[in-house]
Amino acid sequence: DIQMTQSPSAMSASVGDRVTITCRASQGISNSLAWFQQKPGKVPKRLIYSASSLQSGVPSRFSGSGSGTEFTLTISSLQPEDFATYYCLQHNSYPLSFGPGTKVDIK
Amino acid sequence: EVQLVESGGGLVQPGGSLRLSCAASGFTFSDHYMDWVRQAPGKGLEWVGRIKHKGNSYTTEYAASVKGRFSISRDDSKNSLYLQMNSLKNEDTAVYYCARVAIGWAGEYDPWGQGTLVTVSS
Repeated sequence: DIQMTQSPSAMSASVGDRVTITCRASQGISNSLAWFQQKPGKVPKRLIYSASSLQSGVPSRFSGSGSGTEFTLTISSLQPEDFATYYCLQHNSYPLSFGPGTKVDIK
Repeated sequence: EVQLVESGGGLVQPGGSLRLSCAASGFTFSDHYMDWVRQAPGKGLEWVGRIKHKGNSYTTEYAASVKGRFSISRDDSKNSLYLQMNSLKNEDTAVYYCARVAIGWAGEYDPWGQGTLVTVSS
């Protein structure tokens, strides 16, 4: 089974900061990775698919990169509505697996 | 309106069983794979399992943590998805979401249900 790790597990940042979150897979998953944003009490929302493709309607300050085992989600200029928890999901092979999440809160 | 509504959650003792249901409406249920995803209180997301459609022989896949204890089924005539949970453990306590797997799946669930809480405790 493929294990997903994320770093950092939590971070504090200010509005306007550039934020980078890393997701690593225990084995290669090509580009079969999605990024989700979850706010408290809400269902997750997909931001990025196929590692680097932006979901329609998602602001362009979000971007994804990577392939194989290492992936990053970058928020170029953090906005107040971006404070949330972010998860990666590998869907290259069963069982699917989410990363443990990265909580981004206000500094 | 595309909608998923879960039911069947509640309090159950360790070792017990529970069956969750997910009622689908507003789309052709039989065309879609369906997943269960759970989230323990204050914790992250965990993929539970998937059932494919008739065209893929209703094949199921499971997370290692539930394999052999949980079983996913569907009744396309009733637009319903089920999760049979046996030998429940404290660590199965979570909100359970059903989710429609989007056509051309690349990690998109569209939509998610509102979730149903399962509490495993003595």
